[in-house]
Amino acid sequence: DAGVTQSPTHLIKTRGQQVTLRCSPKSGHDTVSWYQQALGQGPQFIFQYYEEEERQRGNFPDRFSGHQFPNYSSELNVNALLLGDSALYLCASSLAGPGTDTQYFGPGTRLTVL
Amino acid sequence: AQTVTQSQPEMSVQEAETVTLSCTYDTSESNYYLFWYKQPPSRQMILVIRQEAYKQQNATENRFSVNFQKAAKSFSLKISDSQLGDTAMYFCAFLPGTSYGKLTFGQGTILTVHP
Repeated sequence: DAGVTQSPTHLIKTRGQQVTLRCSPKSGHDTVSWYQQALGQGPQFIFQYYEEEERQRGNFPDRFSGHQFPNYSSELNVNALLLGDSALYLCASSLAGPGTDTQYFGPGTRLTVL
Repeated sequence: AQTVTQSQPEMSVQEAETVTLSCTYDTSESNYYLFWYKQPPSRQMILVIRQEAYKQQNATENRFSVNFQKAAKSFSLKISDSQLGDTAMYFCAFLPGTSYGKLTFGQGTILTVHP
């Protein structure tokens, strides 16, 4: 039973560039959430995708966008990168339904913006 | 908006001993879920234990148990018979019952288990 996978593992970009991160959910899951985790901090919710639509969004600017594909995998796109976007980006998958349930996390993508 | 507070930035314990990590939260929701996640240096966030607010019984998973005090909005994690592999950052997290997956995390507690 495959868990949540993310790619790439590490990424280095320069200010102003754009980046795409990818996530495949745990087998049987249909919902993907994205979080940003700054060094030494707890993760912050970016948004959640279900049925290929953004269902809920945290306090992140429009430079952060996403997509979900028919196979439930998801992408996180960040435009016009800032130094402050350097962080660990975590993807989590779960089953649909308000308040359900447990989110299972991937290993994360470490993004460094120079 | 919900807030989650972990007041212990760092904790340490000897192998085989018991340690308790604290977590308090603030919410106006009546239905919600609480979680403890563990993040070792490898950075993979791993679920430790889950509690449903409407259940009075405290959750238990092997060596891990919680003390859930709903009125006090407290949700502490007890680790018994600590092992070296328990060394990690531990996060308390809150999920409203009406939310579509927006977990709110605390700041984390770094736990070090010494041999």
